[in-house]
Amino acid sequence: DVKVTQSSRYLVKRTGEKVFLECVQDMDHENMFWYRQDPGLGLRLIYFSYDVKMKEKGDIPEGYSVSREKKERFSLILESASTNQTSMYLCASSSYLWEGPGELFFGEGSRLTVL
Amino acid sequence: GESVGLHLPTLSVQEGDNSIINCAYSNSASDYFIWYKQESGKGPQFIIDIRSNMDKRQGQRVTVLLNKTVKHLSLQIAATQPGDSAVYFCAETRNYGNQFYFGTGTSLTVIP
Repeated sequence: DVKVTQSSRYLVKRTGEKVFLECVQDMDHENMFWYRQDPGLGLRLIYFSYDVKMKEKGDIPEGYSVSREKKERFSLILESASTNQTSMYLCASSSYLWEGPGELFFGEGSRLTVL
Repeated sequence: GESVGLHLPTLSVQEGDNSIINCAYSNSASDYFIWYKQESGKGPQFIIDIRSNMDKRQGQRVTVLLNKTVKHLSLQIAATQPGDSAVYFCAETRNYGNQFYFGTGTSLTVIP
């Protein structure tokens, strides 16, 4: 059974803390993504990566950074958490097929609350 | 029951009826489409996908229709069950790229 695993389902952090969200996929996918999901706003792309050590900014990268040292692992880092970063964070991965992009697989999400 | 995606974000149907959830897209370069189901507190689950060289695809109890002329995508769920209650949203890629673009979703409630 293919899987995208996010290390923490629920986190509560204080303003100013450094936060790490970890994501691991077991499908040997090249592409990995971090989204945040807020009511009424849908999914918004924070960062994505097409290969190890590669990263690209998405639509809302401010206040976030990422790390991809291994193909299977993509980490999202909040250097100094703020209350407006309270959200559901979703990691996803995909591959590229001969006919075009492949299915995007999601993890179960990490709900972060910043106090 | 039928929704108009972004303009009617909720849809209620009787158990056993068919549901139709709609999604409009605006970019003519959109080439791959996925429907996702998301239950409360969980990550999105893949339901069905379709590429732009097709206009219909069927799965188990679900059918996706793609009308490229009017840039419209729909998800039909046959014999809707209480377990189908969730938020449904569409996603698309453009120009055969890897980046996905998402609709905001429609909340489906099945009335027993």
